[in-house]
Amino acid sequence: DTAVSQTPKYLVTQMGNDKSIKCEQNLGHDTMYWYKQDSKKFLKIMFSYNNKELIINETVPNRFSPKSPDKAHLNLHINSLELGDSAVYFCASSHPTSGRETQYFGPGTRLLVL
Amino acid sequence: AQTVTQSQPEMSVQEAETVTLSCTYDTSENNYYLFWYKQPPSRQMILVIRQEAYKQQNATENRFSVNFQKAAKSFSLKISDSQLGDTAMYFCAFMRAGSGNTGKLIFGQGTTLQVKP
Repeated sequence: DTAVSQTPKYLVTQMGNDKSIKCEQNLGHDTMYWYKQDSKKFLKIMFSYNNKELIINETVPNRFSPKSPDKAHLNLHINSLELGDSAVYFCASSHPTSGRETQYFGPGTRLLVL
Repeated sequence: AQTVTQSQPEMSVQEAETVTLSCTYDTSENNYYLFWYKQPPSRQMILVIRQEAYKQQNATENRFSVNFQKAAKSFSLKISDSQLGDTAMYFCAFMRAGSGNTGKLIFGQGTTLQVKP
């Protein structure tokens, strides 16, 4: 009964490929997030969706496109992968009642671009 | 723009002793939240403690406590009776509160803590 799950956990791919990372939460939350943790362990928010509506869109290359088919899912699609995209990507979610300050993180997806 | 700074890249402490991790932040907001997250080698992000800026009382969670100095924009984490399981990277984070809250967490650079037996 995992709260926030991500698939895959590890992803190794070649430069130029297109890949997707999936995130699902079974907590009944309405807001979901994507964070990127780079090789220096620095964490930065990329996107946030509330009820399938984009509310945070940080300065991220157009090659990154989030998609929220419903409140429980937020997927991240990356086109034309580059070496610099290698990182750990975390999904998180929060509930409207308990507030966006309480975020539950998924286990992360380690992406390695060769 | 808000920034969060952790000036200690690495720290170590002997088991059962006390250690303090430092964090400073910069913001023009008056209403906000501050957090400490723990990331063990498993890389799972775990919320350790949260402080609301409007509360003067420092937050405490078992062996973890904070020293929140709003005027100085300082938010340090004290870990008492350190345990081997406390070995992890610790992140300080900031979030706006109130109507402007989009849920955006702004993280510091992290401090790697090693607890030695």
